Amino acid sequence: ETGVTQTPRHLVMGMTNKKSLKCEQHLGHNAMYWYKQSAKKPLELMFVYNFKEQTENNSVPSRFSPECPNSSHLFLHLHTLQPEDSALYLCASSQEEAQTHYYGYTFGSGTRLTVV
Amino acid sequence: AQKVTQAQTEISVVEKEDVTLDCVYETRDTTYYLFWYKQPPSGELVFLIRRNSFDEQNEISGRYSWNFQKSTSSFNFTITASQVVDSAVYFCALSEDSTGTASKLTFGTGTRLQVTL
Repeated sequence: ETGVTQTPRHLVMGMTNKKSLKCEQHLGHNAMYWYKQSAKKPLELMFVYNFKEQTENNSVPSRFSPECPNSSHLFLHLHTLQPEDSALYLCASSQEEAQTHYYGYTFGSGTRLTVV
Repeated sequence: AQKVTQAQTEISVVEKEDVTLDCVYETRDTTYYLFWYKQPPSGELVFLIRRNSFDEQNEISGRYSWNFQKSTSSFNFTITASQVVDSAVYFCALSEDSTGTASKLTFGTGTRLQVTL
C-alpha cells in the first residue's frame, strides 16, 4: 500500500476508444503529477497540479487531458491514442511547503497502457 | 536546463557483492535537491533518499550508502552485500528550488540491477 492508488493497473484500448486513468491519494498532499514511463527513456513529466490548479503542461498532446477535481484525485482522460502512447503512466503526489522538496514524491504503482 | 545521467543501463552482480550505481547531474541552480528511487517489478517508485545541495555529508542507511560530490556533480549509490531483493530499477532524480510552486523532478534513465544467487 503506497498511499497513492492508481486504477486500473492494466488497460488495453483501441485507437478510437476513450478511457480514463484514475489516481487517488489520502496523504494530505497538495501537489499531484502525471509521469509517462516508456521503455529505455527517462520518466517524462506530463502534468503538474498544485492546489488543484494546473501549473505545468509539458507539451503533452491534446489527446491526453488531465482533470483534478480536488486535491485528492487526479484523472488522465485518454482519447484517440496512438500505439506509441503505450507506456506505464505513473501518478505521484507531494507535500509542497515553504521548505519544499523535503519529502520527495510518493508514487502510485502505475497503469500499464497498451494501445492497439 | 537540468539533466540527470545514469550511464549504467544494466548491472548484474552475484549476491553478497557490493555494487555502485552512478549518477551525474547538471544544473545551473545553486540550490537543488537530489533523490534516489527504487522501482521494483510491481511498478511503484519507492523513495530512498533526498539530499540538498548544501549538505555534502555522505549518508549510510543499513546496506545503502550515498556519496554526494558537488565538485564532480555526482550522487552515487552503493549497495553493500547485495541481496536478490535488491533487484530493481534504480532512478536518480534532480529537483531545482521552486519555493511557492510544485517541485518538478527530472529523472535519469535508470539502472536495472539484477542480483543473482
